[in-house]
Amino acid sequence: DTGVSQNPRHKITKRGQNVTFRCDPISEHNRLYWYRQTLGQGPEFLTYFQNEAQLEKSRLLSDRFSAERPKGSFSTLEIQRTEQGDSAMYLCASSLQGGAFFGQGTRLTVV
Amino acid sequence: AQKVTQAQTEISVVEKEDVTLDCVYETRDTTYYLFWYKQPPSGELVFLIRRNSFDEQNEISGRYSWNFQKSTSSFNFTITASQVVDSAVYFCALGSWGKLQFGAGTQVVVTP
Repeated sequence: DTGVSQNPRHKITKRGQNVTFRCDPISEHNRLYWYRQTLGQGPEFLTYFQNEAQLEKSRLLSDRFSAERPKGSFSTLEIQRTEQGDSAMYLCASSLQGGAFFGQGTRLTVV
Repeated sequence: AQKVTQAQTEISVVEKEDVTLDCVYETRDTTYYLFWYKQPPSGELVFLIRRNSFDEQNEISGRYSWNFQKSTSSFNFTITASQVVDSAVYFCALGSWGKLQFGAGTQVVVTP
């Protein structure tokens, strides 16, 4: 499979727990992006990496959120002390040139 | 600040009818890209097209066509002879590379 892969597809967690999502981009793509999408809305940009460097973070990315891309390949997004407002679809995308290609997302439900 | 407006929340059509989705954008950048994505019920965002701000040539790809008009800051999308499989949410987006500002989306419902 040569597309963007995200794991897990679904995650249910209790409020206050930490969660981590993984994204494997298309192999030759050097740029990787994280987005959040809530019901009925378009995706909102969170952060992006060029290779291993995190070049931009949105105001939406609170201190409880951290993203890494240690070797410039896969990336992880961690949310600490989850809140019910964190419930959303978390989308990862990668690009080389041109349009970004998205994974199927991780749907997070905080109960 | 960049902004993308998709005024149509939902469009319902009967199969074989044409569907046109409106997109209006705001940006101060002189160079930018416009995109359309499709999000079927499965949830994955499917890339449909990218247009750069210097290329106003309209394009047709199969049953899809796009009308980019810089003078009115619009980038509309038409599905000709719609099919049930076209049922999805369609997003217009503005930006560069993968850092995009998305509109709220237009739900397209195609009934047999």
